[in-house]
Amino acid sequence: DSGVTQTPKHLITATGQRVTLRCSPRSGDLSVYWYQQSLDQGLQFLIQYYNGEERAKGNILERFSAQQFPDLHSELNLSSLELGDSALYFCASSVVGGENTEAFFGQGTRLTVV
Amino acid sequence: AQKVTQAQTEISVVEKEDVTLDCVYETRDTTYYLFWYKQPPSGELVFLIRRNSFDEQNEISGRYSWNFQKSTSSFNFTITASQVVDSAVYFCALRPNTGNQFYFGTGTSLTVIP
Repeated sequence: DSGVTQTPKHLITATGQRVTLRCSPRSGDLSVYWYQQSLDQGLQFLIQYYNGEERAKGNILERFSAQQFPDLHSELNLSSLELGDSALYFCASSVVGGENTEAFFGQGTRLTVV
Repeated sequence: AQKVTQAQTEISVVEKEDVTLDCVYETRDTTYYLFWYKQPPSGELVFLIRRNSFDEQNEISGRYSWNFQKSTSSFNFTITASQVVDSAVYFCALRPNTGNQFYFGTGTSLTVIP
């Protein structure tokens, strides 16, 4: 158990809908990362937050947004969903700003868009 | 540019054979961190090891060993006497000191045949 909790584990929704994925980082970790893993794209970095502020942005679509709350949990919002958004979405956390340390991953949320 | 290359897409070995997973990285940072993660069929990403760029000592943990060579920008992972439970996708990752992202390779799928 990595200590990172993601909910829900599975999500099935229709095209055009909006969903919210939730992540609780390990106790004490200030930094949260979101990754998307699809079969043809590997692990794609989406966005990172550190202590409530956006720190780095990767290949995140404009239809996607994220935030980190004062209690350090994070949410990834996916809207106007398309079939191609079906993927495994991972959250990871690390201590402080993330330098010098590894990231621990949650079990992922498997999103299926039908 | 930051990049991680795992040239081996899929490897199959017979149980008890040794197997080496290759990882080659590119970075202009003089300080950086390298990682290996395991993704078993259940889907979670499990942290295996972190290596700092200023520490070229090889590491052994049970049947696992890692060979870090800055001269060839490689961080290879060897499993000795492989077991069926080692079947998984293994990811190598790079984290430069100046950035906040983890750069993942495309992964190597290892199948250990009983």
